[in-house]
Amino acid sequence: NAGVMQNPRHLVRRRGQEARLRCSPMKGHSHVYWYRQLPEEGLKFMVYLQKENIIDESGMPKERFSAEFPKEGPSILRIQQVVRGDSAAYFCASSPQGPESGYTFGSGTRLTVV
Amino acid sequence: AQRVTQPEKLLSVFKGAPVELKCNYSYSGSPELFWYVQYSRQRLQLLLRHISRESIKGFTADLNKGETSFHLKKPFAQEEDSAMYYCAPKRGYNKLIFGAGTRLAVHP
Repeated sequence: NAGVMQNPRHLVRRRGQEARLRCSPMKGHSHVYWYRQLPEEGLKFMVYLQKENIIDESGMPKERFSAEFPKEGPSILRIQQVVRGDSAAYFCASSPQGPESGYTFGSGTRLTVV
Repeated sequence: AQRVTQPEKLLSVFKGAPVELKCNYSYSGSPELFWYVQYSRQRLQLLLRHISRESIKGFTADLNKGETSFHLKKPFAQEEDSAMYYCAPKRGYNKLIFGAGTRLAVHP
C-alpha cells in the first residue's frame, strides 16, 4: 500500500494561472480531506469529500477554489487565477470511515506563486 | 468560537528532561482529541488519541475536561523526539481542527 500520494510535490505558477493539485487516497479509503499550511502557521481545514460528494467545504475560500473527488481517479484541488497569497503547502489526508478512524496524510504539495 | 490553542510555538529542552506540550480547547460537549506529529522531512502522522488511552513512544496525554486541556507529556525527552506536534480536536463528525503546532527541539 503506497499510502496517500500527492502530486506534484512542488508546483510553481505565475499569477493568474491555474493550479491543480492531486491526491490519491490510500487503498480502501473513501474519505478525503484537504488542508492548507501557510508559512509559520498551522494546518487549516479546507474541505472534506467522499466519493462524488462534498461533505464539508466550510474552509474553502468562496472564490477561485474548488475540489472534487470523482468516482474514478484522484481527488483534485483546483485553484484558478492564483495570487501570491495562495503560496502554501497543501496537504491531503484520507481515512477509511471518517475522522474517528484517524487520518493518513500525504507528503503535501508546495505551491509557489511567482 | 470553538478553537484549539497551543500556546508555545517552540519548546526547547535538553535530552532526558521532562516535556509537556500544552493544548487547550474550547469545544463544548465531549470532543475527541488527537495528537499528530511531523518529523523533519516526513509527513504528518498520528501520534495518539485520547480515547485509546495509549502510550506511544513514551508520550501520554490526558484529557482534563475541567481545564479543557489535553497536554502531551513525556518524562524523558530524546533527541529523536524533535518535531512539530499538533493537537487536534474532532469537531462534529466531519473533520479534525488542528492547533498552530509546537516545535519541540531536544538538545543533546
